[in-house]
Amino acid sequence: AQSVTQLGSHVSVSEGALVLLRCNYSSSVPPYLFWYVQYPNQGLQLLLKYTSAATLVKGINGFEAEFKKSETSFHLTKPSAHMSDAAEYFCAVSDGNTDKLIFGTGTRLQVFP
Amino acid sequence: NAGVTQTPKFQVLKTGQSMTLQCAQDMNHEYMSWYRQDPGMGLRLIHYSVGAGITDQGEVPNGYNVSRSTTEDFPLRLLSAAPSQTSVYFCASSGRDRGRVETQYFGPGTRLLVL
Repeated sequence: AQSVTQLGSHVSVSEGALVLLRCNYSSSVPPYLFWYVQYPNQGLQLLLKYTSAATLVKGINGFEAEFKKSETSFHLTKPSAHMSDAAEYFCAVSDGNTDKLIFGTGTRLQVFP
Repeated sequence: NAGVTQTPKFQVLKTGQSMTLQCAQDMNHEYMSWYRQDPGMGLRLIHYSVGAGITDQGEVPNGYNVSRSTTEDFPLRLLSAAPSQTSVYFCASSGRDRGRVETQYFGPGTRLLVL
């Protein structure tokens, strides 16, 4: 069975500071991993995805994530936070063969001026 | 392309009432899914479909029915609404790239309140 754990339901950073959102996964098969962002009262938008190619994945809005098999992690980072980054972020895993996405419980990012 | 569309955006029901949440996509995607989002629980899969005429249960299917008569549409039916079904519902669709499932695209959501 696959699962995702997101450490920290709330993360607060100052504008310009490093953003680090943590995601650990469990999977018995090579996983596909995703980060989605949700702005208030909106649907989910894909930030980036890992599908067994390069382990460092670059996404939209300056975000990137690194797949580390030895640590079963897929943490999301951004060097410098903007106010517009305030949102909820979800990590998700699938086996790549089905439509089933398993989501983490989400991390709400607050950015202070 | 409109992508994934959902109607209604917001609905209030009384316990025991029935309703259908509509979902449509214009990307010719084979795969469609329904999720519910509840505070602190992320998104949980309700039902999914791998193509017209084929549906299967997800993690939390009880109280919901689905059908897939066309590639484009994947309605979710609540036969007898309960307060526990108060949630935000998201529909998603995805295609395939060289046999592997591609990115899932999400609709804007339907916010349901059951009194």
